[in-house]
Amino acid sequence: GEQVEQRPPHLSVPEGDSAVIICTYTDSATAYFYWYKQEPGAGLQLLMSVFSNVDRKEEQGLTVLLNKKDKQLSLNLTAAHPGDSAVYFCAVSAFWGSNYKLTFGKGTLLTVTP
Amino acid sequence: DAAVTQKPRYLIKMKGQEAEMKCIPEKGHTAVFWYQQKQSKELKFLIYFQNQQPLDQIDMVKERFSAVCPSSSLCSLGIRTCEAEDSALYLCSSSRDWGKDTQYFGPGTRLLVL
Repeated sequence: GEQVEQRPPHLSVPEGDSAVIICTYTDSATAYFYWYKQEPGAGLQLLMSVFSNVDRKEEQGLTVLLNKKDKQLSLNLTAAHPGDSAVYFCAVSAFWGSNYKLTFGKGTLLTVTP
Repeated sequence: DAAVTQKPRYLIKMKGQEAEMKCIPEKGHTAVFWYQQKQSKELKFLIYFQNQQPLDQIDMVKERFSAVCPSSSLCSLGIRTCEAEDSALYLCSSSRDWGKDTQYFGPGTRLLVL
């Protein structure tokens, strides 16, 4: 089945710097890509969704790059601020068997220091 | 953002007791997914409902869980006999279009089994 590797597991950046998180997936049929943010004790907040026909998407200080050749997805937070501190998950899906269940990376704990 | 509701937010059970948690999907969403997350790690797919019918589930759910969606506006996930390893955050998501569209998550039910 699909496997997703996410790195780094921990990332600490000073306020104003950028933070980059990278995910690598294995199944070439993967068609849908997501980034979620999870704050302590909370559910998952959707940051951005990208479909396989898009290589780059920017929204509100976030940039997602999709490299289908290398099966790599990245999230770049530009000018991070302390409120961005959270766990970030990438998730991918395709129609595997009967549905579009998500396969998640293990998460990246981002700490933005003032 | 879509509004998926989950109740209760916290649940404490003794080993061997039954547990039940509920999810109210976003209105108009026909696909409902349940995921399990332990210690802020990656989410693990449990079961998928489409139009209130369970179409995919992992073996653990078949063996020890009970999950139903009696209406399009309410789903529940139960554990027949709680074990310590069931302590986790249970997240429900809903989506349109057989789950092909973006999944939006509820805040989760945090289960602690003592």
